[in-house]
Amino acid sequence: GEDVEQSLFLSVREGDSSVINCTYTDSSSTYLYWYKQEPGAGLQLLTYIFSNMDMKQDQRLTVLLNKKDKHLSLRIADTQTGDSAIYFCAESNPDTGFQKLVFGTGTRLLVSP
Amino acid sequence: DVKVTQSSRYLVKRTGEKVFLECVQDMDHENMFWYRQDPGLGLRLIYFSYDVKMKEKGDIPEGYSVSREKKERFSLILESASTNQTSMYLCASSPGGPAVSGNTIYFGEGSWLTVV
Repeated sequence: GEDVEQSLFLSVREGDSSVINCTYTDSSSTYLYWYKQEPGAGLQLLTYIFSNMDMKQDQRLTVLLNKKDKHLSLRIADTQTGDSAIYFCAESNPDTGFQKLVFGTGTRLLVSP
Repeated sequence: DVKVTQSSRYLVKRTGEKVFLECVQDMDHENMFWYRQDPGLGLRLIYFSYDVKMKEKGDIPEGYSVSREKKERFSLILESASTNQTSMYLCASSPGGPAVSGNTIYFGEGSWLTVV
């Protein structure tokens, strides 16, 4: 079945850039997503990228997709303490009805002042 | 404001008890989901429902059942709770189509279940 992998932890200083990486195995992945989970809360969609795109920028967020290597990354510019959270990548494809998302293990981002 | 409400944030149950986790959404969404979240394992899909009285098994359905008698409500049932079901349970809902823009999946705040 599909598999989505992430590193578990990332620690950065306030003002630095953060890069969270994700690899996936399903070559038919059509949409790839980044979700954020703040402490004690559910997940919220941060951004997504369609598989025919290489890059998507949304304010401080940049998503890069290397479809050949099945590698997805999320770059957060000028990281703030409020960005401390768990970040999940996820993928979906038409074979599983798009909304049956497969999530990665999550990366806990800690931003220190 | 969109809302997915999980009735219990924290529960402590005994081994062998029957446990009900309730979830209600107010957005008239077709799809509803139950996920389980464990450290280092991410979110794993237990069951999802794409219509009233319709359900489909996810990746880890063993030990769980679900009920969707009304569109807005999706219940997760642990028939006989066991300690390995101690976890955070997340409910979600969405309209049809890819989970992008207006079709975003909305998550509840989660229910922390401890089975002793």
